[in-house]
Amino acid sequence: GAGVSQSPRYKVTKRGQDVTLRCDPISSHATLYWYQQALGQGPEFLTYFNYEAQPDKSGLPSDRFSAERPEGSISTLTIQRTEQRDSAMYRCASSVTGGHQETQYFGPGTRLLVL
Amino acid sequence: DAKTTQPPSMDCAEGRAANLPCNHSTISGNEYVYWYRQIHSQGPQYIIHGLKNNETNEMASLIITEDRKSSTLILPHATLRDTAVYYCIGNSGGSNYKLTFGKGTLLTVNP
Repeated sequence: GAGVSQSPRYKVTKRGQDVTLRCDPISSHATLYWYQQALGQGPEFLTYFNYEAQPDKSGLPSDRFSAERPEGSISTLTIQRTEQRDSAMYRCASSVTGGHQETQYFGPGTRLLVL
Repeated sequence: DAKTTQPPSMDCAEGRAANLPCNHSTISGNEYVYWYRQIHSQGPQYIIHGLKNNETNEMASLIITEDRKSSTLILPHATLRDTAVYYCIGNSGGSNYKLTFGKGTLLTVNP
């Protein structure tokens, strides 16, 4: 596609519910990243994929967070048993590869509000 | 990756050059300096990066001091649309996937 797309753009949920966020990277981009951005802060790394492999998920805040990219293109980020502190903007980015000096292209984000 | 320090905010008059400083005194020899910006609530946008030589592209210039402990991003003719949060990021090639943004500098371009 022309750019990174994410859906939904906004999600309001109740504490304890599960949510799944979707990212559609730029076609042909091998590497996909997830970041979490709190209000007034810069994005913080969560995890990334090279195709369907997930070499680093060290930034995921807890085991309630998981991500998948089963066919090496679209990715989902799932938060189970949501808590109010999970409220944030979730941003996805992609790059041609995850290599040296690669530019990351960011999507518009999904704003999650947990009530 | 190196810790970077930026002023929280700056102002610039429209049409003037905007010079955004960044300190990265702990940067190592193989770490690049990257600049991204974030306009309002949009996703971050890549601007430029460099290792030790000065760099220029269609968006900006990057001046890195000889000791590499600091750098300056220059927007030569700032416009209102350049109002954004600008992030300076130190990043080694091996961990390029993990951009560490910090809080950045809010640049406000005034008419």
